[in-house]
Amino acid sequence: SQQGEEDPQALSIQEGENATMNCSYKTSINNLQWYRQNSGRGLVHLILIRSNEREKHSGRLRVTLDTSKKSSSLLITASRAADTASYFCVLNSGGYQKVTFGTGTKLQVIP
Amino acid sequence: EAGVAQSPRYKIIEKRQSVAFWCNPISGHATLYWYQQILGQGPKLLIQFQNNGVVDDSQLPKDRFSAERLKGVDSTLKIQPAKLEDSAVYLCASTYGRGRGMHSPLHFGNGTRLTVT
Repeated sequence: SQQGEEDPQALSIQEGENATMNCSYKTSINNLQWYRQNSGRGLVHLILIRSNEREKHSGRLRVTLDTSKKSSSLLITASRAADTASYFCVLNSGGYQKVTFGTGTKLQVIP
Repeated sequence: EAGVAQSPRYKIIEKRQSVAFWCNPISGHATLYWYQQILGQGPKLLIQFQNNGVVDDSQLPKDRFSAERLKGVDSTLKIQPAKLEDSAVYLCASTYGRGRGMHSPLHFGNGTRLTVT
């Protein structure tokens, strides 16, 4: 399968806490990306990590990638109510940049 | 830069009717994707174009779905005839990258919400 699987499927935390989402996959990848989708709105790219990278930061986001274990994690620090959304692990694989979405983690941040 | 444009935003049709969706990607983006997102699920890739050629349509139900990308720019996705299970949001995305060495994110349109009754 070229689809990532996120864990947990749903996560509820208090504002200010950290949120961690994990993604496991089975195929070789060019890169792995994380996207956010707010209810009723479009998909927004958050961060991209290449297969030869191990960790990347962007603001309150930290992504790790372990290609030997075929897994990635997304950490959101100091969460805010506005972070409430679905988060998708997205695999870029193959010579033509096939991009496939996982099942998503639904994050709820309680004010 | 202008984003990915999609139209219409909403469409309601009866089963067995036909429908078409239009997408205008970001200027200069070689690769274009169509996804189907059923409520509560992640987007499912239907078809991928590189310039005006199809590079992946393995999950496109070809007996009823068709897509084209004329002159490597705009794209249309058609369903004929529609079924109830086609009710979903249809998302178009584009990216600058076109090969294994390119690492660029996808830019998404706002999608077309299709309801088949």
